[in-house]
Amino acid sequence: GAVVSQHPSWVICKSGTSVKIECRSLDFQATTMFWYRQFPKQSLMLMATSNEGSKATYEQGVEKDKFLINHASLTLSTLTVTSAHPEDSSFYICSARDGRLGETYEQYFGPGTRLTVT
Amino acid sequence: AQSVTQLDSQVPVFEEAPVELRCNYSSSVSVYLFWYVQYPNQGLQLLLKYLSGSTLVKGINGFEAEFNKSQTSFHLRKPSVHISDTAEYFCAVSGRGGYQKVTFGTGTKLQVIP
Repeated sequence: GAVVSQHPSWVICKSGTSVKIECRSLDFQATTMFWYRQFPKQSLMLMATSNEGSKATYEQGVEKDKFLINHASLTLSTLTVTSAHPEDSSFYICSARDGRLGETYEQYFGPGTRLTVT
Repeated sequence: AQSVTQLDSQVPVFEEAPVELRCNYSSSVSVYLFWYVQYPNQGLQLLLKYLSGSTLVKGINGFEAEFNKSQTSFHLRKPSVHISDTAEYFCAVSGRGGYQKVTFGTGTKLQVIP
């Protein structure tokens, strides 16, 4: 089946620094990738959608200058949290759609990245 | 736009007992429906999906769900749960056709009691 990986799985950083999270589709081409944020005991909130080779589309209320998304290839998307603050601490999950499928309704999820900002 | 309501935030159930996790959705267009499971500190795994056809959908790990268009529901069921089913379960909906965002419910924590 389709596999999506994320790296790192867990990261601690100091306030004011930037952190990059990678999302890779290992055995398929992901024409579209999604980035979600999940707070403890809450559902997934879509942050942005990225299509390979084009700018990401951010959801309302998500600061695009703070959460930089790059989808440079069909197998890699990155999320960079710039000037991180403690309130950015969260579980970040990416997902990807397989571009080979005619009806690209199914998303494959990565294992998530736990970000803690001290 | 779509929305998903999972009425039960937590469902405790004894091992080997049946369970139903409720999900209702709202949409002005035809939808696809999904159930995902999330184990602690992990991503989401697809349990099952309804796209079209038979309203009774069977998924992995012995779960099944029934699409009821008139009641706009997509409840998840399992006839006999195991300890290993303890997890968070999310119902999700997306519009049909082309690029459509997936909207998730708030989740139901299934706690299987030995």
